[in-house]
Amino acid sequence: AQTVTQSQPEMSVQEAETVTLSCTYDTSESDYYLFWYKQPPSRQMILVIRQEAYKQQNATENRFSVNFQKAAKSFSLKISDSQLGDAAMYFCAYISGAGSYQLTFGKGTKLSVIP
Amino acid sequence: GAVVSQHPSWVICKSGTSVKIECRSLDFQATTMFWYRQFPKQSLMLMATSNEGSKATYEQGVEKDKFLINHASLTLSTLTVTSAHPEDSSFYICSASRLAGTSSYNEQFFGPGTRLTVL
Repeated sequence: AQTVTQSQPEMSVQEAETVTLSCTYDTSESDYYLFWYKQPPSRQMILVIRQEAYKQQNATENRFSVNFQKAAKSFSLKISDSQLGDAAMYFCAYISGAGSYQLTFGKGTKLSVIP
Repeated sequence: GAVVSQHPSWVICKSGTSVKIECRSLDFQATTMFWYRQFPKQSLMLMATSNEGSKATYEQGVEKDKFLINHASLTLSTLTVTSAHPEDSSFYICSASRLAGTSSYNEQFFGPGTRLTVL
């Protein structure tokens, strides 16, 4: 079974600074997808960024980028120029590419942004 | 596109009563819908997976007689918490999935959640 581990329960960052959230995963599959979801105080789950395992290039979405290290099974999220609106719970998630339906979530990292 | 709604957003009920939560995919037909439960400051815990017209598949430890799931159409799934008790108080989130374009995985879109409080 796949597992997703987020080892940082809480993180904080100064506004306009950069922060990196860590995620590691365990799988024996070669075809899979990784995600970072944001859950703000409203509790609506928002997809931040997605990475296909077969792509070597790291995904980027504006201020959000990932460092995908397939051999190390590591998938960290970097948030640049942090804004107050970035304060939220962040969940790392995995899904198999073999037609699977189920997402496997990490336990989450609570990010605080200090003005 | 890909909007999922949940109704109600917040419900308070008395112990022993039943509560129904609706999950709708508003602008797409969902191949599969999921129900999650989330306790404060914790991650999402998958309760069950449902496909239209068939019985839901429940995760280990989830009482299927307590959490009834009906997936009546490709755009509607309902979760009924029967004979609710205070320990059922939680945040319930649904998601609906569809194939993600040319990718081989099923992308999930999340509803805004329902906060259930059982007195």
